Amino acid sequence: EAEVAQSPRYKITEKSQAVAFWCDPISGHATLYWYRQILGQGPELLVQFQDESVVDDSQLPKDRFSAERLKGVDSTLKIQPAELGDSAMYLCASSPSGYNSDTQYFGPGTRLTVL
Amino acid sequence: AQTVTQSQPEMSVQEAETVTLSCTYDTSESDYYLFWYKQPPSRQMILVIRQEAYKQQNATENRFSVNFQKAAKSFSLKISDSQLGDAAMYFCAYRREYGNKLVFGAGTILRVKS
Repeated sequence: EAEVAQSPRYKITEKSQAVAFWCDPISGHATLYWYRQILGQGPELLVQFQDESVVDDSQLPKDRFSAERLKGVDSTLKIQPAELGDSAMYLCASSPSGYNSDTQYFGPGTRLTVL
Repeated sequence: AQTVTQSQPEMSVQEAETVTLSCTYDTSESDYYLFWYKQPPSRQMILVIRQEAYKQQNATENRFSVNFQKAAKSFSLKISDSQLGDAAMYFCAYRREYGNKLVFGAGTILRVKS
């Protein structure tokens, strides 16, 4: 069964350093999502791509976060510089093409700890 | 903006018994979708069940069923014949009729006792 892949699974960094997370969606899925899940809370959408285009980044802290999906396949989420409050689980999800497709398939996540 | 509230941070159930997880939401829209997702420890989140707001019939998936009360904006999940593998964090989520963005609740940890 196809799955969403994410790496690394765990990342420890010091504040002010740069970190990057990678996501490979299920083959053929046009829509890709990055979520942030703070401990004890539900996931919150950071950015949504339709193919290579950003369709929603309203909750992305753009002064330090960036995301790209250059060829409309895999995606990278970057934080520079990292802050203590960025410690969280970063989840990637994908869904089949179509504006109204409603089943999102999640990856295992990257747990970030900022010291 | 839509909000989703799960008022039970943690629930416990004996194996083979039934448990109900609560969820309420706030929206001014009439058509939307509701979901329950399961997040097992150290594993990815998976969809358990979904409900279209325009459908009056409650969704059912094997041992999982929902009680959807549109007027009360309530969407509870019932797990029958609970199994050890049901132990996980459960999230209730809302999605507008058009669009893909999911709004999640804070989650409920379900513990299953043998």
